[in-house]
Amino acid sequence: DAKTTQPTSMDCAEGRAANLPCNHSTISGNEYVYWYRQIHSQGPQYIIHGLKNNETNEMASLIITEDRKSSTLILPHATLRDTAVYYCIVLKRNNDMRFGAGTRLTVKP
Amino acid sequence: NAGVTQTPKFQVLKTGQSMTLQCAQDMNHEYMSWYRQDPGMGLRLIHYSVGAGITDQGEVPNGYNVSRSTTEDFPLRLLSAAPSQTSVYFCASSYGLAGGGDTQYFGPGTRLTVL
Repeated sequence: DAKTTQPTSMDCAEGRAANLPCNHSTISGNEYVYWYRQIHSQGPQYIIHGLKNNETNEMASLIITEDRKSSTLILPHATLRDTAVYYCIVLKRNNDMRFGAGTRLTVKP
Repeated sequence: NAGVTQTPKFQVLKTGQSMTLQCAQDMNHEYMSWYRQDPGMGLRLIHYSVGAGITDQGEVPNGYNVSRSTTEDFPLRLLSAAPSQTSVYFCASSYGLAGGGDTQYFGPGTRLTVL
């Protein structure tokens, strides 16, 4: 499975869009990009995933570059409750989701 | 639906004791997994199951056993607890393979301390 690189931490002002980048330059054609988040020490929460096309749901948008070597998770209007660690995962098969260190997003008032 | 449930929420063991962490899901998911998360680190896969009667090892399987006698339950057994197994344990399930575009749902976790 492809390796991912994310910034260690980011800040965002409440009400503004939070843009979380992820590099996955070794991604192969059949690998999906998943985003999860973990608030405090709760169980990871699914946010969104995609293969080639940009995706949007009620929580976020996922923008995948045309070459698929990087992606950006967008939280359109960040709230204090969005403060969490965000994980970008590239997964080809099985359920072995290798969670790295992720990005610690802090939403500030 | 209760989703993925785990018991107990907290547990303290002495070195050498054995115990079973329980995991259940009511979503009729075929795939279930166990992860551990150590402080400041991401999750690491211990064991997983692709259906009743079928299990396989993940990244860090040593010291743990699993079985899958029903679709709903996937218990994790610590045979002889060691301080290195102090961690937070998460169970997860999905309908299909997460790598095939499906979504994994996680339980609330069990915090285990081994003295």
